[in-house]
Amino acid sequence: DAGVTQSPTHLIKTRGQQVTLRCSPKSGHDTVSWYQQALGQGPQFIFQYYEEEERQRGNFPDRFSGHQFPNYSSELNVNALWLGDSALYLCASSRLRGAKGLNTQYFGPGTRLTVL
Amino acid sequence: GNSVTQMEGPVTLSEEAFLTINCTYTATGYPSLFWYVQYPGEGLQLLLKATKADDKGSNKGFEATYRKETTSFHLEKGSVQVSDSAVYFCALSDPGNTGKLIFGQGTTLQVKP
Repeated sequence: DAGVTQSPTHLIKTRGQQVTLRCSPKSGHDTVSWYQQALGQGPQFIFQYYEEEERQRGNFPDRFSGHQFPNYSSELNVNALWLGDSALYLCASSRLRGAKGLNTQYFGPGTRLTVL
Repeated sequence: GNSVTQMEGPVTLSEEAFLTINCTYTATGYPSLFWYVQYPGEGLQLLLKATKADDKGSNKGFEATYRKETTSFHLEKGSVQVSDSAVYFCALSDPGNTGKLIFGQGTTLQVKP
């Protein structure tokens, strides 16, 4: 049973560019959340997708956008990159439909984005 | 708003020492509480969780008890190993159980042989 997978592993971009990160959820999961983890900090919630719609959003600008596909995989897009976007981007999946009780999230290995 | 505060690190211990990493939280309602562990160069792994007051989560020798009266969820292990060296994150999920997690800043544990 594959866990949460993310691609690419590492990425280097320059200021002003755009980037797309990808995530495949754990088998049986239907919800994907994205987090940004700056160096030495805890992860910060960006947004969550369920049924191909953004379900809730953290305190991030509109430069951060996402998408969820019918197979539950997801993309995170960041436009107009700046140095402060350099971070580890983590994807987490969970099962919402039919779930009883705690909606536990399981994390992927992350994508390390460096903006020069 | 909801928040999590962890003790600052790094915490340096000798192998077989007793570990405590403090975590306190502020939340409206009754959140679920988690400990995640991050090994170097990797993502986060769920270590343990607790969903209501007085619940004790446990896994791999680690334990934490949900204390509503002190709004705490301290992580403990009786005898640490070198392989436990990692960054530990305390987190809460919003009481609406939407799955959104709020993390503390992390505590680095270094265990020396």
